[in-house]
Amino acid sequence: TAGITQAPTSQILAAGRSMTLRCTQDMRHNAMYWYRQDLGLGLRLIHYSNTAGTTGKGEVPDGYSVSRANTDDFPLTLASAVPSQTSVYFCASSDSSVTNTGELFFGEGSRLTVL
Amino acid sequence: GQNIDQPTEMTATEGAIVQINCTYQTSGFNGLFWYQQHAGEAPTFLSYNVLDGLEEKGRFSSFLSRSKGYSYLLLKELQMKDSASYLCAPMDSNYQLIWGAGTKLIIKP
Repeated sequence: TAGITQAPTSQILAAGRSMTLRCTQDMRHNAMYWYRQDLGLGLRLIHYSNTAGTTGKGEVPDGYSVSRANTDDFPLTLASAVPSQTSVYFCASSDSSVTNTGELFFGEGSRLTVL
Repeated sequence: GQNIDQPTEMTATEGAIVQINCTYQTSGFNGLFWYQQHAGEAPTFLSYNVLDGLEEKGRFSSFLSRSKGYSYLLLKELQMKDSASYLCAPMDSNYQLIWGAGTKLIIKP
């Protein structure tokens, strides 16, 4: 059983470098999301995609970009990393059809440290 | 603005019952989720309430009062494996989840 796969699991990155976090799902869910989770704070939405070919900005989009070329993949790119982007990043997907509760399925997370 | 309030940490004894409260203010409302997150792991779905009342699912139950902006998660017959953070997340009018910081539940023998 796969579900959602994220890579890498963890990464240390020098400030100013670029980085792409990969996310792939095999559930054919139409909606996908990127969140960051920091100690003492709730999950914060970075970007989302309601369907392949479309993306939208979440609560904290600055410094991040996404693309959704197909249903399965939703990579998150940091063009020029800064230390405040040190966080745990979770990719999630949901089947947002009207008959579904919209439950999110999460990947295992990518722990990113920017020095 | 949108706001979620839940206790930061709670402690309970194995075999006992614990209630984790959540109050919320959102722009519109399309239901409320509870997720469980073990340390170092991804959140996993526990429950979804869209109508007022109690939803029971095994040892876990979730309650919602839309007029009060209030929900709780009730855990019965606590087990050591229930030690985790519990995240309250209402869904706003745009169908976006608004996440609380979570309640860390510590179970003691």
